[in-house]
Amino acid sequence: DTEVTQTPKHLVMGMTNKKSLKCEQHMGHRAMYWYKQKAKKPPELMFVYSYEKLSINESVPSRFSPECPNSSLLNLHLHALQPEDSALYLCASSQGQITTGYNEQFFGPGTRLTVL
Amino acid sequence: AQKVTQAQTEISVVEKEDVTLDCVYETRDTTYYLFWYKQPPSGELVFLIRRNSFDEQNEISGRYSWNFQKSTSSFNFTITASQVVDSAVYFCALSENNFNKFYFGSGTKLNVKP
Repeated sequence: DTEVTQTPKHLVMGMTNKKSLKCEQHMGHRAMYWYKQKAKKPPELMFVYSYEKLSINESVPSRFSPECPNSSLLNLHLHALQPEDSALYLCASSQGQITTGYNEQFFGPGTRLTVL
Repeated sequence: AQKVTQAQTEISVVEKEDVTLDCVYETRDTTYYLFWYKQPPSGELVFLIRRNSFDEQNEISGRYSWNFQKSTSSFNFTITASQVVDSAVYFCALSENNFNKFYFGSGTKLNVKP
């Protein structure tokens, strides 16, 4: 199984709503990532979890709150978002062990978020 | 300064033409990793290849080939006999000592017309 799944595929929310994005992988990977991608731009790294601990936070506003309940799951909790937060949110995973030499990231299909 | 430069914003070719996508990178690390990803209109980034800095061998996979040249800090991607299904945005990426952090280029949009 080389798949990263994300739910929901599409999400429309108001600025006062609270919602969560979910990501799951069953490849035994120990690193998981959240990216934000605006149209016609490359993905921007938001958070990295390594062995279920937050290892990188790219100065993301606190209205985005990541959570890694276990090594297979990654959530992104959203609260009080702004219209400019509308984007494609991509989850990815990788082995997380550089000693293997395999650090390619595998991406999920993304959640297309619209904030009204 | 950008760590990964993809100077070609958009390329249009006719089916069966060969096309090369350029990628130039910048790093001071002696160990680093280079990647190519494909992003079709559906949105999912598809991993194509990883190349380690200590392995300069070029690689061929079907119609795809990659040319890694440390002397020019380039990692170019060639599609031979392009097909309409190759239409997508292609990203080149670099990771360094912090191997979990990827630096993506701005992407090259490839349009293959029938």
